Amino acid sequence: DAGITQSPRHKVTETGTPVTLRCHQTENHRYMYWYRQDPGHGLRLIHYSYGVKDTDKGEVSDGYSVSRSKTEDFLLTLESATSSQTSVYFCATGQGPNYGYTFGSGTRLTVV
Amino acid sequence: DQQVKQNSPSLSVQEGRISILNCDYTNSMFDYFLWYKKYPAEGPTFLISISSIKDKNEDGRFTVFLNKSAKHLSLHIVPSQPGDSAVYFCAASRMSGGTSYGKLTFGQGTILTVHP
Repeated sequence: DAGITQSPRHKVTETGTPVTLRCHQTENHRYMYWYRQDPGHGLRLIHYSYGVKDTDKGEVSDGYSVSRSKTEDFLLTLESATSSQTSVYFCATGQGPNYGYTFGSGTRLTVV
Repeated sequence: DQQVKQNSPSLSVQEGRISILNCDYTNSMFDYFLWYKKYPAEGPTFLISISSIKDKNEDGRFTVFLNKSAKHLSLHIVPSQPGDSAVYFCAASRMSGGTSYGKLTFGQGTILTVHP
């Protein structure tokens, strides 16, 4: 969806390094989410935001932090990357679940 | 604790037949349910949803059924087409609950393969 851009699309990083993934939206959506997808687990919520500077933890938030300083951007930071954080990361945005959230194309992160 | 479960990792059907994908949930606070379809190397796309005040919702070839007493929902695709081959995720949400509003909890996904 052209309204949501994730960057980078692919990244390989070393264990122990910090990594920041970016989600940018042009939809003016209030809600933004970061999910990770892993085999056998589906999509699991890492962090979410319900407004600028308003964020909260999801079910797998350990080792991750987020920031949302403006409506358009939601950043996910891995403070010190570990191999268990190798995954595909998806950003989603929306005005509420009854509108059906829109997902970005994903970022494939490999931690070596 | 897996609050949303899709117990069938995969499903294979013939073109033109019905595909039925199932989903169970344990949290009785969920009151809104969605289905997403995902192709490889793409993000999930919204397919259809249903509120807990309904037991059925239709959109073209796609119908979602909700059985609240059994905490079970299903997605029916009729007729199935090869282009429907993808991973299907069910998701659940709460329409109330302060900052919990709108959080989606996903199942593990079911890989649907439709054979020509």
